[in-house]
Amino acid sequence: AQSVSQHNHHVILSEAASLELGCNYSYGGTVNLFWYVQYPGQHLQLLLKYFSGDPLVKGIKGFEAEFIKSKFSFNLRKPSVQWSDTAEYFCAVTNTGGFKTIFGAGTRLFVKA
Amino acid sequence: GAVVSQHPSRVICKSGTSVKIECRSLDFQATTMFWYRQFPKKSLMLMATSNEGSKATYEQGVEKDKFLINHASLTLSTLTVTSAHPEDSSFYICSARAREDAVYNEQFFGPGTRLTVL
Repeated sequence: AQSVSQHNHHVILSEAASLELGCNYSYGGTVNLFWYVQYPGQHLQLLLKYFSGDPLVKGIKGFEAEFIKSKFSFNLRKPSVQWSDTAEYFCAVTNTGGFKTIFGAGTRLFVKA
Repeated sequence: GAVVSQHPSRVICKSGTSVKIECRSLDFQATTMFWYRQFPKKSLMLMATSNEGSKATYEQGVEKDKFLINHASLTLSTLTVTSAHPEDSSFYICSARAREDAVYNEQFFGPGTRLTVL
């Protein structure tokens, strides 16, 4: 069965620190990959997505993610975090042509001002 | 674009009553809508998938008679929690997908509904 693992449940960083959140999935076929963010009290918003092409994708607010097919990974990165990045981040995977998206457990990021 | 709304945002009800939650796509036609449940400090769990004009497809372990889903139009889906009990208290989130996004399953999420059953 498909599954998505996010290795860090809680991350605390100081402003200007670099961020990398891990995401691994288990599915042997072609996948579509997403990172969503949920700011406190707000709904899920799409940060970035990968469907095909360049495995390094750039999203909003300076975030990027790299799809490494051989490692079944889609890690999220940001070179310098801000206090406003405090939120919960979810990795999600859909098999191409499928109707179901599997979400990871989420990573709560707290950025200290 | 691609805005999804949910109503109500919060609801408190007594045990045994039924609660209806609406999910609307405001600026696009949603051929498919999804209903998720989010437990505290946990991820979203898909409850069911509904296609406009068809019966919903429920995930394993989700009681279809308890969680009634109706997707009568391309902009509205409703989730009715029947005979709610305290264990049904949760955060319910809907998402909507347009026909052209089906291949990649790109969804747009509503703000969620916090249900508390006393």
